[in-house]
Amino acid sequence: GENVEQHPSTLSVQEGDSAVIKCTYSDSASNYFPWYKQELGKGPQLIIDIRSNVGEKKDQRIAVTLNKTAKHFSLHITETQPEDSAVYFCAAPLHMRFGAGTRLTVKP
Amino acid sequence: DGGITQSPKYLFRKEGQNVTLSCEQNLNHDAMYWYRQDPGQGLRLIYYSQIVNDFQKGDIAEGYSVSREKKESFPLTVTSAQKNPTAFYLCATSYGAQGAEAFFGQGTRLTVV
Repeated sequence: GENVEQHPSTLSVQEGDSAVIKCTYSDSASNYFPWYKQELGKGPQLIIDIRSNVGEKKDQRIAVTLNKTAKHFSLHITETQPEDSAVYFCAAPLHMRFGAGTRLTVKP
Repeated sequence: DGGITQSPKYLFRKEGQNVTLSCEQNLNHDAMYWYRQDPGQGLRLIYYSQIVNDFQKGDIAEGYSVSREKKESFPLTVTSAQKNPTAFYLCATSYGAQGAEAFFGQGTRLTVV
């Protein structure tokens, strides 16, 4: 399957700060780049995604940016809030694989 | 109420016993997947099915088996050959086989004692 690397594995920020999580993929044929949020004891849910024909997509406080040349895409969360604390996963749907996850903690 | 139903939420089994985890969906999705998640770890693909009566091994298929006799159902059997079966198991579906959003069930936490 495709190699998907996600960094960092843990991230702690102060409430109101920004958080950035990066995902690197290997298959240049990939054309869909999603991010999922998993809360404790639940299944992951899609929070934002992007197709390869655009470089950035925003939805209120979250955004995803894509660099196809470098084969990486990033999740940006601005004005973080305690409820943003969760585990975030990137995915390579072309091969049904997920990154190892990033545990984000937002401190009040 | 559309979605993916995994049952049971918690499951306890004795070592050496086979156990089957249920996954049912009414989203009319063709593709279904099983993932294993260990504490503090990512999602590892066990098996996937892109169409009824067909399925493929994922990265950690040893000790597991599946069937896909109906579009709505993709049960996972954890056999006694699985050396360390205690984990959180997640079932997912997607509309297309690839390049589409995955929808997840709420998971089954299996504990083998």
